[in-house]
Amino acid sequence: AQSVTQLDSHVSVSEGTPVLLRCNYSSSYSPSLFWYVQHPNKGLQLLLKYTSAATLVKGINGFEAEFKKSETSFHLTKPSAHMSDAAEYFCVVSTNAGGTSYGKLTFGQGTILTVHP
Amino acid sequence: GAVVSQHPSWVICKSGTSVKIECRSLDFQATTMFWYRQFPKQSLMLMATSNEGSKATYEQGVEKDKFLINHASLTLSTLTVTSAHPEDSSFYICSAILLAGDTSLLQQYFGPGTRLTVT
Repeated sequence: AQSVTQLDSHVSVSEGTPVLLRCNYSSSYSPSLFWYVQHPNKGLQLLLKYTSAATLVKGINGFEAEFKKSETSFHLTKPSAHMSDAAEYFCVVSTNAGGTSYGKLTFGQGTILTVHP
Repeated sequence: GAVVSQHPSWVICKSGTSVKIECRSLDFQATTMFWYRQFPKQSLMLMATSNEGSKATYEQGVEKDKFLINHASLTLSTLTVTSAHPEDSSFYICSAILLAGDTSLLQQYFGPGTRLTVT
């Protein structure tokens, strides 16, 4: 079984300030973890993914996330927010448990990021 | 890059009618596609896994007779909502897997979604 909890449903920041979107996961097996972004009326776009390589993962648009197994966390950060970052962000876990859940993604509840001028 | 399209992007239908939504992988072959449903202000919920040439696998609580899935080719999967009711109004999103050798590198590519409104 696998699950994801995004700790904040809404995050509001000022342009130019850091962004932190929190995510905790649970998984019976070694997980793959992803962050996706969804802009209004657009499809989901992959920001970054962790697949058991380096624990600090760098993604597109200046985002990065750190996999911390001891804390079962995969928080998303960005040093300086931009107005175009305003969107909804989903933390996602995938577990390949002997092939039975191959490719199956479990989504967190989503965090809406608002960026103020 | 890998592109997934959906058609239509939005549809309005009357209660009791059926609606078909298409999901296509435009520049790659996808042996597996997934269908998700997203209600307003909620997360995506997996409905079913669609494998080319075989029956779809539905998640618990999803009615297979109501949501018919056909994965007829490596680039096309269709979702038909039969006898639609207002409670079926939602945002339906498909995704396709692009296999890249090492399965740990698997990545799902998502379509833009189809907004269904049943009146």
